[in-house]
Amino acid sequence: QQQVKQSPQSLIVQKGGIPIINCAYENTAFDYFPWYQQFPGKGPALLIAIRPDVSEKKEGRFTISFNKSAKQFSLHIMDSQPGDSATYFCAASIMYSGGGADGLTFGKGTHLIIQP
Amino acid sequence: NAGVTQTPKFRVLKTGQSMTLLCAQDMNHEYMYWYRQDPGMGLRLIHYSVGEGTTAKGEVPDGYNVSRLKKQNFLLGLESAAPSQTSVYFCASSYPRGGLGNEQFFGPGTRLTVL
Repeated sequence: QQQVKQSPQSLIVQKGGIPIINCAYENTAFDYFPWYQQFPGKGPALLIAIRPDVSEKKEGRFTISFNKSAKQFSLHIMDSQPGDSATYFCAASIMYSGGGADGLTFGKGTHLIIQP
Repeated sequence: NAGVTQTPKFRVLKTGQSMTLLCAQDMNHEYMYWYRQDPGMGLRLIHYSVGEGTTAKGEVPDGYNVSRLKKQNFLLGLESAAPSQTSVYFCASSYPRGGLGNEQFFGPGTRLTVL
């Protein structure tokens, strides 16, 4: 049972366009939703993350939109550049009130290409 | 700071052989994780540890064992390798910060092929 579903699998966007990657989750206990960026041959690196108490978070050109009732969240990349070409993973986790956390449940990834 | 390092970077095993993957972190993180990444499957959690001397099962623990004898090290063992364990293995570490979330820092990965 896939707990975090990510779409699309691949995406090609012209430079300056706004790629949008979507994720949906099933477990209502999830309360931490990060996006990771991975370049070929490298480990993933955190891009941006959101907690369910807000509906949107922006960091530079990257924005997460979060819809708690629909159990969906998405990543938008403004003014996309060829250097943004990478694989993007959404993920979800449970944070515990005592300060602990579960491991991440990842989506299957989106291979993004930004054409010059 | 080196961050999270993994040894070895590449390895080829024959079916039935055993090996240990080593992960080390110098960020004094309490939590450490092992994931495997397969094409089209994303990353899946194998085992994790919330502190020295502790381990817990993740989503796909079968065929693997782990140990966390020192806070900075997390070992992943394959006792009898199978072709289905051909994958890229990533180690990560983190220090959960309540309301600030749980940023995990990943190593560069180990590419394992089992023939």
